Amino acid sequence: EAGVAQSPRYKIIEKRQSVAFWCNPISGHATLYWYQQILGQGPKLLIQFQNNGVVDDSQLPKDRFSAERLKGVDSTLKIQPAKLEDSAVYLCASSLRGTVNQPQHFGDGTRLSIL
Amino acid sequence: GESVGLHLPTLSVQEGDNSIINCAYSNSASDYFIWYKQESGKGPQFIIDIRSNMDKRQGQRVTVLLNKTVKHLSLQIAATQPGDSAVYFCAENKGQAGTALIFGKGTTLSVSS
Repeated sequence: EAGVAQSPRYKIIEKRQSVAFWCNPISGHATLYWYQQILGQGPKLLIQFQNNGVVDDSQLPKDRFSAERLKGVDSTLKIQPAKLEDSAVYLCASSLRGTVNQPQHFGDGTRLSIL
Repeated sequence: GESVGLHLPTLSVQEGDNSIINCAYSNSASDYFIWYKQESGKGPQFIIDIRSNMDKRQGQRVTVLLNKTVKHLSLQIAATQPGDSAVYFCAENKGQAGTALIFGKGTTLSVSS
């Protein structure tokens, strides 16, 4: 089966600019996650969707980050305005159902550099 | 802070040796644990998972052990190969609080031939 697709692979912007990332989960996967991975650390959850509804966004910096999954399939994550500390890899993951514990499958991420 | 961590940031082994990567967790409510392998420039790749009602699970060349008494998780890789070189993360769920994963900092495994 095709894996989780993410684009772009790399993005370089200046601080205070805006940026958007796109994710297409594995077909049929109801649950979608966005994680932030700072260099040398493990991924940290930003937001979790179940179909098109938000399940957990407790760690999303809502003053600058937003995410949507309007039709319950693809998702976009936006940062506006970006700060230097947002430099990281943004990973998207999906799982078949979020109501029971199942492996999450990750895309290769978008590497964001803030100048 | 993070509730999942690994004991060693790096581990170096010879090809053919068995590798053991350890992880400690602090959340007693976690009921699902998972190991990922991450190669440079790629996303985490699922290796093996285990639920809290089990203490051991085996896959192909890998075994995960769970000791709930001391909140310890380990990943054993048999006959380690150069292709196993990567960063390994353990992760736990939030228990009743949800299925999102909490990751530790990772252990870098280096395999020399």
